[in-house]
Amino acid sequence: SQQGEEDPQALSIQEGENATMNCSYKTSINNLQWYRQNSGRGLVHLILIRSNEREKHSGRLRVTLDTSKKSSSLLITASRAADTASYFCAYASGGSYIPTFGRGTSLIVHP
Amino acid sequence: KAGVTQTPRYLIKTRGQQVTLSCSPISGHRSVSWYQQTPGQGLQFLFEYFSETQRNKGNFPGRFSGRQFSNSRSEMNVSTLELGDSALYLCASSLGGQGNTEAFFGQGTRLTVV
Repeated sequence: SQQGEEDPQALSIQEGENATMNCSYKTSINNLQWYRQNSGRGLVHLILIRSNEREKHSGRLRVTLDTSKKSSSLLITASRAADTASYFCAYASGGSYIPTFGRGTSLIVHP
Repeated sequence: KAGVTQTPRYLIKTRGQQVTLSCSPISGHRSVSWYQQTPGQGLQFLFEYFSETQRNKGNFPGRFSGRQFSNSRSEMNVSTLELGDSALYLCASSLGGQGNTEAFFGQGTRLTVV
């Protein structure tokens, strides 16, 4: 399986600002998920968007999916220091439902 | 309900030894997947077990093996450890249905091979 690519690799912002992370992939997908990982710990599932959906919201999170461009974005609005973490996209493609993870975006939110 | 539990949290082993990691999935989840996370390679899929059978396998050597018990708990074994096996090993549990891959992860086992 081919890993997705997240952009940027690292992002540093001030509290209160918005953070946008992008994920690109190379194959057609069944769905795409976003996860958060605090330093050296397990992954926390944030949101799942299906291939027939274009946008999804969950609290301060907004995820978009553009299957024609094979890309997704995660927007965190009004960021907080507690949002400091690595964010990963993961997608299942073809006949497989095993998610393939991107390399992640490291987000630092300065108080 | 309780989340995914991985034990032990930390482990130090010597090259050539073997190690067994354990994962208890969320109650009712029948699928357990294992991932290796390293700074260089990111999250790499090892294998997935469903109803005591290995259903999917990643591209890892045969030194990496696993099994799943009737209560869905899973173990992963690595034999003849190499320095490069040092990593965070994560397991994820899910219902196992093909339409929904939402997976819930444990805190991981940090393995250091010296």
